[in-house]
Amino acid sequence: QVQLVESGGGVVQPGRSLRLSCAASGFMFSSYAMHWVRQAPGKGLEWVADISSDGSNKFYADSVKGRFTISRDNSKNTLYLEVNSLRTEDTAVFYCARGISGGSFDDWGQGTLVTVSS
Amino acid sequence: SYVLTQPPSVSVAPGKTARITCGGNKIGSKSVHWYQQKPGQAPVLVIYYDNDRPSGIPERFSGSNSGNTATLTINRVEAGDEADYYCHVWDSSSDHYVFGTGTKVTVL
Repeated sequence: QVQLVESGGGVVQPGRSLRLSCAASGFMFSSYAMHWVRQAPGKGLEWVADISSDGSNKFYADSVKGRFTISRDNSKNTLYLEVNSLRTEDTAVFYCARGISGGSFDDWGQGTLVTVSS
Repeated sequence: SYVLTQPPSVSVAPGKTARITCGGNKIGSKSVHWYQQKPGQAPVLVIYYDNDRPSGIPERFSGSNSGNTATLTINRVEAGDEADYYCHVWDSSSDHYVFGTGTKVTVL
């Protein structure tokens, strides 16, 4: 079965960086676009970034463009999100999700919490 | 940027029908997907391509999409349907994905 497991979250000071990872298993990782979605405490879902199956195309939400970088290593079945210049408003649970045709996200990880606080 | 508007809350009695709307400019021209999220859990896809159900999702869940409004309908509502629901589209003009504001469904 499809499994997505995020890691790398934690408490970090404003202005610092983190690298989030999403380990995928149970499917052919290299054949799927992948996404990061975040959810601030008590708030709704916000799409953050996506990357094509071969890593050649990447798109970002305006709120994170220039600060976050999405990447993937298909040999390791792993998705990454480098989050830089963190702000208190970046505090959220970050989910990775598998994208399928038509634009829906059919499988999600359980999320990793990033808390930005001094 | 493209905006999807949902009612903050919907209340429904068990066995009745819940309808959750998702408003967006010409949303009928887009493919709409719906997710269910229970407290402390990751979202789960319940409807994709306007009205298709992933395997394992009960037939009680259905969707429609026309004009400026998409609707998720839950028939014969059960206590286990109590959750937050989000609509979701891809905006081709910006190459961005957009989620609706979310609707909390309460089963009375």
